Amino acid sequence: GDSVTQMEGPVTLSEEAFLTINCTYTATGYPSLFWYVQYPGEGLQLLLKATKADDKGSNKGFEATYRKETTSFHLEKGSVQVSDSAVYFCALSDRTGTASKLTFGTGTRLQVTL
Amino acid sequence: ETGVTQSPTHLIKTRGQQVTLRCSSQSGHNTVSWYQQALGQGPQFIFQYYREEENGRGNFPPRFSGLQFPNYSSELNVNALELDDSALYLCASSPGGGNNYGYTFGSGTRLTVV
Repeated sequence: GDSVTQMEGPVTLSEEAFLTINCTYTATGYPSLFWYVQYPGEGLQLLLKATKADDKGSNKGFEATYRKETTSFHLEKGSVQVSDSAVYFCALSDRTGTASKLTFGTGTRLQVTL
Repeated sequence: ETGVTQSPTHLIKTRGQQVTLRCSSQSGHNTVSWYQQALGQGPQFIFQYYREEENGRGNFPPRFSGLQFPNYSSELNVNALELDDSALYLCASSPGGGNNYGYTFGSGTRLTVV
């Protein structure tokens, strides 16, 4: 079945450091790929998405490129801020029967310090 | 536009009891999915509803059931609660299939079973 593997956290960075969170996936079809962010005590917010190979999703300084050849969708940001501290989930969307469902990784906690 | 709203936000139940969680989908979204997020884990797909019919289900037992109403709002019912049902329950809505559009999540209901 489908699966998503993320690098384990927590990741601790100083403000303005470069961020990479690795994500690889296994899927039988041609999934769409997503990054979601979860702030403490809240639900998930869509950060960015890519729907086909070589697409680059971007939002709020975060970027990720859909790499079909390496089955990866790594999240990057050039300069993190304290406000970026949260848990980041990589996910893929594929069909199970007639439904589209999200399969998530286990999440990577990011902590940014001054 | 309003987002996805869930109620209640927190709930404590006793093992063996039954619980109903509610979700109002985002305006214009006709598909609702439910996810269970255990502490420190990524969300797991429970089921999806489209036009008042269940059209996909994850690996959850039949005591997890749901409904979708004509206004696209939804309920998740869990019978015979077990301690392992303690989790954050997330509702997500999308305009049709979520593959290309992504999903909008609510803030969740935190269920504690004692």
